[in-house]
Amino acid sequence: DTEVTQTPKHLVMGMTNKKSLKCEQHMGHRAMYWYKQKAKKPPELMFVYSYEKLSINESVPSRFSPECPNSSLLNLHLHALQPEDSALYLCASSQEERGPYEQYFGPGTRLTVT
Amino acid sequence: AQSVAQPEDQVNVAEGNPLTVKCTYSVSGNPYLFWYVQYPNRGLQFLLKYITGDNLVKGSYGFEAEFNKSQTSFHLKKPSALVSDSALYFCAAIYNQGGKLIFGQGTELSVKP
Repeated sequence: DTEVTQTPKHLVMGMTNKKSLKCEQHMGHRAMYWYKQKAKKPPELMFVYSYEKLSINESVPSRFSPECPNSSLLNLHLHALQPEDSALYLCASSQEERGPYEQYFGPGTRLTVT
Repeated sequence: AQSVAQPEDQVNVAEGNPLTVKCTYSVSGNPYLFWYVQYPNRGLQFLLKYITGDNLVKGSYGFEAEFNKSQTSFHLKKPSALVSDSALYFCAAIYNQGGKLIFGQGTELSVKP
């Protein structure tokens, strides 16, 4: 099973709302990732977790807060977002962070900030 | 600097014809190279990767890619295109065994009947 699941599929939120995105994998992967993707552009890396610890933060604004409760779950907490944060948010996982390991992507959460 | 380039924003192919989607990478060590495909409103799907060894790599859905070290290229190919191959294709690289995937800008493939 090479499936990464993400919920919700769609999310509309106001600039004062607090919401969370969820990601889950059951492949035993030890690295998990959050990406932001604008239409027809490559994904932009936001965060990397390796063995449940934050490994990379690509200078993401603090209104995005990641959390890795266990090796299968990854959350992205959202607060006080801006309209320009509207995008497709992708979660991915790989066997390890370092090495020749492909990443498996979830279907994404389409986020609209009003 | 470590980078991946896809020189064509769009590739148009007739169904049944061979297709090629081009990718070049910057020379900085020996990167691992990947191809991903993205269908509309979906996540990225892994197609194939090159680590070392045989320069021709076979992947999912009949796709293959040819690694050429002298030309620093990793072009994606398929002998006979299908309409269902129409999608956005990304070439990507991992340098220095780091976890960060560096993506090309993407190539939109359109296969017409």
